[in-house]
Order: sequence, then C-alpha cells, then structure tokens
Amino acid sequence: NAGVTQTPKFQVLKTGQSMTLQCAQDMNHEYMSWYRQDPGMGLRLIHYSVGAGITDQGEVPNGYNVSRSTTEDFPLRLLSAAPSQTSVYFCASMVRAYSNQPQHFGDGTRLSIL
Amino acid sequence: ELKVEQNPLFLSMQEGKNYTIYCNYSTTSDRLYWYRQDPGKSLESLFVLLSNGAVKQEGRLMASLDTKARLSTLHITAAVHDLSATYFCAVGSNTGNQFYFGTGTSLTVIP
Repeated sequence: NAGVTQTPKFQVLKTGQSMTLQCAQDMNHEYMSWYRQDPGMGLRLIHYSVGAGITDQGEVPNGYNVSRSTTEDFPLRLLSAAPSQTSVYFCASMVRAYSNQPQHFGDGTRLSIL
Repeated sequence: ELKVEQNPLFLSMQEGKNYTIYCNYSTTSDRLYWYRQDPGKSLESLFVLLSNGAVKQEGRLMASLDTKARLSTLHITAAVHDLSATYFCAVGSNTGNQFYFGTGTSLTVIP
C-alpha cells in the first residue's frame, strides 16, 4: 500500500529558482492538499483540491501554484523560490473533505532555499 | 478565518501520570481531528470526531469534542514513554473545504 507518495524527500534551491514538488496517491481520494510546517506554527494549508480539475487557495497560497489534471496527482510549484519558503512540505489526501475519514499524509519534502 | 489554539505547547510528564491536552477553536465546526507526529516523521491519524459529545478511545488516549464550547480534549492515562511525540488537533471549516491545525503539543514522557 503506497498511500501518499511525495518526491523529492530533500531539496536545496537557490533564491529565484523554480521547482515542482510531486505528490501522488493511489487510494482514489477526491480531496488532496498541500501544507507547510514551520517551527511553532503547526501546519498551514497552501492549496487544496476537491477533485480533478478543481483547485483552490488555502491560508498561505502566495508564491505557489497547483494543478490537478488527474485524481492521483497533485503537484506543487514554487514559481520563484524565496528563503521564506524554507520549510517542510506535506501532501495529504482524504476520501472527501466532508467524510468520517482523516487525511493521509505523505512523508514530507524538506526544502531549503539559500 | 478559523483559529485553533492548543495548550500546553510543551508538556513533560512522568510515566504513569495522567494529563489532558486542550484544543480550542474560534468558529463553529463539526469536524475535529487529532494527529500524532514523531520527530522527523509524517502525521498519523489518531481520532476523528464529528459530533457534539463524541468520545473516542484508543489505548491510553481518549479524545472528546464539545462543539458548543468549541473545545476538544485529548486525555492521556498512565503515560508511557512510547507516547512521547507532538500531538496536533485540526478543525474543518464549515464554510469550505479547508482544515486548520493547532500549533501542536510536544509531549515528553519521562521514565
């Protein structure tokens, strides 16, 4: 059972570079989301999707783009990396936003912007 | 915007003792979740609470939800070292499909 798979696990970027964090789930979940985790701030929602072709902004969307062309994949793009985007990024999925099931989280991507 | 507050932020307790972690949230919600995170690891679901008065128990952990008070508690009974971790509550927004996390409670159980 793969669950939610995130790649890469670690990445170092220079300021101004762009990159895509990959997220895939094999549970046929409708809802997928991206969070960033910073010390002392818990997890904050960046973007989310309630199904293929539908995305929306969360609490902290600036500097990030997402797309959801398939049910399985939900990549997160950093357009022009900034040191403030240094964080641990988690992708999660759940059956539906309104369900009796929790979110399933990937292992995270640890991103450093120099 | 929904605000979620957890307290305490840090908790050091001796094995065998009981303690409660509190999760307060600012606006109406009917979905509350508890997760556990070990250092450097992902989040693992512990409980899903969907109605007022809901109570769930797993081993030494028991979670409850009071939607009228906008309060959830995670009670630890007779703590053991294996419970050392960071515990997060998360609340689902009633106005959309967003989830808001507390800042987490870092629990250390001392032998």
